[in-house]
Amino acid sequence: GNSVTQMEGPVTLSEEAFLTINCTYTATGYPSLFWYVQYPGEGLQLLLKATKADDKGSNKGFEATYRKETTSFHLEKGSVQVSDSAVYFCALTEANQAGTALIFGKGTTLSVSS
Amino acid sequence: KAGVTQTPRYLIKTRGQQVTLSCSPISGHRSVSWYQQTPGQGLQFLFEYFSETQRNKGNFPGRFSGRQFSNSRSEMNVSTLELGDSALYLCASSIRGGHTDTQYFGPGTRLTVL
Repeated sequence: GNSVTQMEGPVTLSEEAFLTINCTYTATGYPSLFWYVQYPGEGLQLLLKATKADDKGSNKGFEATYRKETTSFHLEKGSVQVSDSAVYFCALTEANQAGTALIFGKGTTLSVSS
Repeated sequence: KAGVTQTPRYLIKTRGQQVTLSCSPISGHRSVSWYQQTPGQGLQFLFEYFSETQRNKGNFPGRFSGRQFSNSRSEMNVSTLELGDSALYLCASSIRGGHTDTQYFGPGTRLTVL
């Protein structure tokens, strides 16, 4: 079945450090890929997405490239801030389903200190 | 445009009771999905509704059910509550529920079963 695997962390960084959160997926068709972020006590917010191979999603300094050959969608940011502290979820939706279901990774907790 | 709203935000029930949660999607969105979030299992898909029809269903027992109304508002019901049903229940809406569509999440309903 379809699945998403991401590093679980926690990831602890100092402000202005470089961030990478790895995400790999298994899918039988041609999925769309997403990164969502969850701040304490809140629901999920879309961070970025990519819907076909080699697409790059970007938002708020975060980037991720859809790599079909390595089935990966790693999240990167060049310089993290304390306000980026949150839980990050990688997810996919499958193209050949009758409806839509997001399949999530376990989430990666990021803690940034000043 | 108003975001996805969920009511109530917090709920405490006892084992054996039933509960109904409500979700109002973003105006113009016709697809509504429900997810359960727990520390142990992470984020899991419950079901998706589109134009008042359940189009997709996750791997949950029949105690979990839902419906969608003509104005796209949705409710989910859990009968005969168990301790393990304690979770954050998240509702998400999208325009058509297509696999490339972004799902926008509400703040969630925190259900505690005693």
